[in-house]
Amino acid sequence: QVQLQESGPGLVKPSGTLSLTCIVSGDSINSKNWWVWVRQPPEKGLEWIGEIYQSGTTNYNPSLKTRVNISVDTSRNQFSLKVTSVTAADTAVYYCVRKRGPRALDYWGPGTLVTVS
Amino acid sequence: DIQMTQSPSSRSASVGDRVTLTCQASQDISYYLNWYQHKPGKAPKLLIYDASNLETGVPSRFSGSGSGTDFTFTISSLQPEDVATYYCQQYDSLPPTFGPGTQVEIK
Repeated sequence: QVQLQESGPGLVKPSGTLSLTCIVSGDSINSKNWWVWVRQPPEKGLEWIGEIYQSGTTNYNPSLKTRVNISVDTSRNQFSLKVTSVTAADTAVYYCVRKRGPRALDYWGPGTLVTVS
Repeated sequence: DIQMTQSPSSRSASVGDRVTLTCQASQDISYYLNWYQHKPGKAPKLLIYDASNLETGVPSRFSGSGSGTDFTFTISSLQPEDVATYYCQQYDSLPPTFGPGTQVEIK
């Protein structure tokens, strides 16, 4: 059974850097899947942040591209998210997700709330 | 970015009712459309991929159809456990975008 689990600080100061890690079990980061970050601000909808492949190839949402970095650690079977220069608008529940094939987000972590304050 | 719209924004129905939700894309996305169920405090769950394919393990009362710009999601017989917000998501072009969601409740 594939499982993903986010970890990281739940509180970040404005202008600081948000850092989260997603530990993957039940699948290899080196499999033919992409690994994705999605977030949901309070009372709002879902927003795709970006994705990474095992090779390190990334795609980012243009709205966040200048502030976001996604990396992969194949030795630890995990991938990470960094968002710099955070503001209150970055307060959200952050999900790490597996993308099966080209399109389907099939396994999600439980999500972690990050508050910028 | 491709804009996704969903209607209605909320839907109240009785147990056993047929519930139909719609999703519209701002441009042709072929069949590259997924549907997710999101319950409060839980992770979203993939129900339908590529517009009409039922994800493994998902009850057959859920179905999807459509292509191009107009898509439909149907619950054939609403159950109490189906109370949730349902999101459509396009994956035709980057960045993938989600609709604003439809909240489904029991009357």
